[in-house]
Amino acid sequence: KAGVTQTPRYLIKTRGQQVTLSCSPISGHRSVSWYQQTPGQGLQFLFEYFSETQRNKGNFPGRFSGRQFSNSRSEMNVSTLELGDSALYLCASRGDSGNTEAFFGQGTRLTVV
Amino acid sequence: AQSVTQLGSHVSVSEGALVLLRCNYSSSVPPYLFWYVQYPNQGLQLLLKYTTGATLVKGINGFEAEFKKSETSFHLTKPSAHMSDAAEYFCAVSLRGSNYKLTFGKGTLLTVNP
Repeated sequence: KAGVTQTPRYLIKTRGQQVTLSCSPISGHRSVSWYQQTPGQGLQFLFEYFSETQRNKGNFPGRFSGRQFSNSRSEMNVSTLELGDSALYLCASRGDSGNTEAFFGQGTRLTVV
Repeated sequence: AQSVTQLGSHVSVSEGALVLLRCNYSSSVPPYLFWYVQYPNQGLQLLLKYTTGATLVKGINGFEAEFKKSETSFHLTKPSAHMSDAAEYFCAVSLRGSNYKLTFGKGTLLTVNP
């Protein structure tokens, strides 16, 4: 069974640009969550999608958005990039039952210059 | 709201020594508790989890953790450290009924000396 796949693994963008990151969950998983990891703030929850609907959102500005497709693949978009958006962005998928763990992808390392 | 505190951002042990990584949580309702490990430039891998039942939880690679409600703790231990255990470890909590959101501690970097 393939794991969670995130593409691309590395990205370098310029301030003011926008970026789209992709996440393919484990087959059969309908829940996809996104996290931002930085040295200063640690791991922070961005948002979670289930069956194409955003179920919860973390405390991030509106520049951060996401969506989920009918095949459960998810994308997150960051517009008007700032230097502080440089981070490792992690995607996690989970099964439907109540207490399953989240399976994480290897992440996308975004560098904003 | 829930929170997680990991005592010690950096722990150093000798190979073969006991590993003890500390985690305390705050939650208004009984939580789910997790330990994840992260190797450089990698994602997070689940070591173990507590949901219900037995409070001593065994995980992969010889790790275990004990849920102590009275102390609001979920410390991670391993009797004998191996060089391959060197990594960053994260304790996380989620709430029952809304377990799609994980709240993480700041992490503990484990160094294993030969």
